[in-house]
Amino acid sequence: ETGVTQSPTHLIKTRGQQVTLRCSSQSGHNTVSWYQQALGQGPQFIFQYYREEENGRGNFPPRFSGLQFPNYSSELNVNALELDDSALYLCASSLGLAGVDEQFFGPGTRLTVL
Amino acid sequence: AQSVTQLGSHVSVSEGALVLLRCNYSSSVPPYLFWYVQYPNQGLQLLLKYTTGATLVKGINGFEAEFKKSETSFHLTKPSAHMSDAAEYFCAVTPYNTDKLIFGTGTRLQVFP
Repeated sequence: ETGVTQSPTHLIKTRGQQVTLRCSSQSGHNTVSWYQQALGQGPQFIFQYYREEENGRGNFPPRFSGLQFPNYSSELNVNALELDDSALYLCASSLGLAGVDEQFFGPGTRLTVL
Repeated sequence: AQSVTQLGSHVSVSEGALVLLRCNYSSSVPPYLFWYVQYPNQGLQLLLKYTTGATLVKGINGFEAEFKKSETSFHLTKPSAHMSDAAEYFCAVTPYNTDKLIFGTGTRLQVFP
């Protein structure tokens, strides 16, 4: 059984561009959550997908969007990138909802916006 | 709004000494509480969690935490620190009637020989 994987590892974009980050959940996990971790801060909840439907969202604007696919993979899309979007983006999967069940985290994607 | 406060962004202990990492939450209704650890260049890993039942929770690697409702605290302890415990530790809470996890700002633990 493989763990949660994320791609790419690092990414550099310029302001105004769009980016897609990818995550492969653990097999059998119905829930995937995305977090933004700025330097020196704790992870901030972006949103959660449960069985391919968005189920909960943090205080992030609509330019942050996501998808969950039947094969346990997921995407985080960010449009109109801003400098403050520079952060480590973490994906986590769990059997049930993120607030109750143990979440298994990937190593993250480091996004730098210039 | 529900929040989590971790007192002390950095904690340093000697190998073999007691580890105490502090976490307080703000909520009138007891939430679910978690401690996660993040090693350099790795994702977060669950140490332990409290949902209901026994207030003293034992986790992996010899860590434990006690839920104290009267103090709204969930401090993490380990009797004897190892060099391998050096990492960033995050307390997290699930507010009542939500499915989102809210993390504290983290405490970096350094262990000296």
